[in-house]
Amino acid sequence: AQTVTQSQPEMSVQEAETVTLSCTYDTSESDYYLFWYKQPPSRQMILVIRQEAYKQQNATENRFSVNFQKAAKSFSLKISDSQLGDAAMYFCAYRGLRGSQGNLIFGKGTKLSVKP
Amino acid sequence: KAGVTQTPRYLIKTRGQQVTLSCSPISGHRSVSWYQQTPGQGLQFLFEYFSETQRNKGNFPGRFSGRQFSNSRSEMNVSTLELGDSALYLCASSLMGQTQYFGPGTRLLVL
Repeated sequence: AQTVTQSQPEMSVQEAETVTLSCTYDTSESDYYLFWYKQPPSRQMILVIRQEAYKQQNATENRFSVNFQKAAKSFSLKISDSQLGDAAMYFCAYRGLRGSQGNLIFGKGTKLSVKP
Repeated sequence: KAGVTQTPRYLIKTRGQQVTLSCSPISGHRSVSWYQQTPGQGLQFLFEYFSETQRNKGNFPGRFSGRQFSNSRSEMNVSTLELGDSALYLCASSLMGQTQYFGPGTRLLVL
């Protein structure tokens, strides 16, 4: 079964600085999707970034970028120029491509605090 | 486009009762998935519906059920509520199942 591990329960960053959140996963599949979701105190789950496993190029969305290492099964999220509004729980998620692997499998999350 | 909507947002029930939660997906999305979020177990997949058919199901007891209507709106039902069913229930919609967009959730408290 696929698993997603986020080894950092909590992280802290100074406003305007850069922070990297770690995520590793385990799968025997070669094609899949990886996601980072943000959940602020409102509990609304917001899509931050998506990566298709067959793409070698790392995904980027404004201040958010990923470092996708397929062989190492690693998928870290880098937040540049951190803002107070970035404070939230961040979840790494895996999605297979077929059948019962089609649902999202989430890590336990990393709570990010941003200090002014 | 309007986002995913869920009703009600908050719900208080007592043990043994049943509850129905509703989810309206983003217009044009045909896939709806449900997740349960608790502090202890984290985010767990309940089930996924696509074109009115259950496509995937998580490891939850039969007390948890769902359905999807022809307009893609979905409902989930929990019968004989237990204290452990207290959770945030999240609904997510997608075009075909790849990228899922979440609603604001329904917070259920079972007393």
